[in-house]
Amino acid sequence: AQSVTQLGSHVSVSEGALVLLRCNYSSSVPPYLFWYVQYPNQGLQLLLKYTTGATLVKGINGFEAEFKKSETSFHLTKPSAHMSDAAEYFCAVNPDANNLFFGTGTRLTVIP
Amino acid sequence: GAVVSQHPSRVICKSGTSVKIECRSLDFQATTMFWYRQFPKQSLMLMATSNEGSKATYEQGVEKDKFLINHASLTLSTLTVTSAHPEDSSFYICSAGTRQYNEQFFGPGTRLTVL
Repeated sequence: AQSVTQLGSHVSVSEGALVLLRCNYSSSVPPYLFWYVQYPNQGLQLLLKYTTGATLVKGINGFEAEFKKSETSFHLTKPSAHMSDAAEYFCAVNPDANNLFFGTGTRLTVIP
Repeated sequence: GAVVSQHPSRVICKSGTSVKIECRSLDFQATTMFWYRQFPKQSLMLMATSNEGSKATYEQGVEKDKFLINHASLTLSTLTVTSAHPEDSSFYICSAGTRQYNEQFFGPGTRLTVL
């Protein structure tokens, strides 16, 4: 069975500070892992994904995530938060193309 | 590449009417399309999965007769909310998948408001 847990439904950081959004997963098969961002009243935009190979994945807008199999984690980070990063972030696991399991989301607020 | 569109982006209708939402894959052929529903400040809830030319597979608790899904071609799927009621008001998001990419590509969503 697959599931995703996002710790912290709401994270606030100051502009310029480190962003860390946590994601832990469980999967009975080697997972594909995704981070999506959703701005108000919009669909989901893919930030980055891990499939195979290098465990540190770089995405758009300066975000990156590291797949740690031993910790079953795929935390999302950005060294310096920008006001435009304020949005809802979803972690998802996709054991195959037909099933995508989402976490409950983390709302990121950036304080000027 | 891999762009998915939805139409309309926003719709307001009266209670009892039916509303059709279109989901199109613009530059690829989608073997599978997915329909999600999102309540305010919540995650996406998968409603159904449809493969081109076959009946949709609905998730537990989703009314098949209320949410009609048609996947007539490899680039178009439609969701019809029949006899809509205020509790059907929500944000509906579609996505499309293809065997070429092991991921789903999401549409921009449709905001449905039932008065």
